[in-house]
Amino acid sequence: SQTIHQWPATLVQPVGSPLSLECTVEGTSNPNLYWYRQAAGRGLQLLFYSVGIGQISSEVPQNLSASRPQDRQFILSSKKLLLSDSGFYLCAFNGYTFGSGTRLTVV
Amino acid sequence: AQSVTQPDIHITVSEGASLELRCNYSYGATPYLFWYVQSPGQGLQLLLKYFSGDTLVQGIKGFEAEFKRSQSSFNLRKPSVHWSDAAEYFCAVAPSGGSYIPTFGRGTSLIVHP
Repeated sequence: SQTIHQWPATLVQPVGSPLSLECTVEGTSNPNLYWYRQAAGRGLQLLFYSVGIGQISSEVPQNLSASRPQDRQFILSSKKLLLSDSGFYLCAFNGYTFGSGTRLTVV
Repeated sequence: AQSVTQPDIHITVSEGASLELRCNYSYGATPYLFWYVQSPGQGLQLLLKYFSGDTLVQGIKGFEAEFKRSQSSFNLRKPSVHWSDAAEYFCAVAPSGGSYIPTFGRGTSLIVHP
C-alpha cells in the first residue's frame, strides 16, 4: 500500500537557525510530491511541488527551498528561519494524500 | 486558474442532526473534487473524491458529496453527526488535465453540541 511519512512531528527552532523537514513515500514510483504550509486558522498554501528527481517548482517566493534527491524523498529547507516561517507544514503525494504534518514554531 | 469557496467559516450542529457543508468552485471544465477532514494538530484525511462518473460520491465515516455541475458545487453531507465529527473540513479542486495542483478552500470548522 502507498504510505507517506513526515518528520519530525513538532519542532521548535530559534530565529536564524537552519531547517530541514523530510518527507518520504512508499509503495509508489515517480509520485508528484508537494509541500504545503497551513497558518493558524487558515487554509493550505502550496509552497513547492515536484514531478520528478531534481525538478522543483516554487509557488511562493520566500525564505524556504525544496529538494528532491531521490524519487520518493522530498525535503523542505531553510538556511535562516524567520518568525514568519512558523506554521504547520504538510507533505503530500499525488496531490491528495497527506502526511501527518510538522508543527514548526520559530522563537 | 481554479478557485474554491467554502462560504461557512463555522457550522454548529447538534449530535444526531444532519449536516451539509457547502463548497463552490470555479473552473472552466469538469474538475477533480475532494473533501478532507483535519482534527487539531493532525494532517488532512481524505474523506472522498470525485473524478468522473456517478455524481453522488460515497466516502469514509458515513460522508457523501454530490457534484452539481450546473451549480458548480460539491457539498458534503452526513445524515447523522457524531461528536467525533467535530473538526475542520476542507474542500479542494484540481484541474482534470495537465499539472495536478489542487487548490483548497479556507475550511469550515464543525462544532458538535451534545
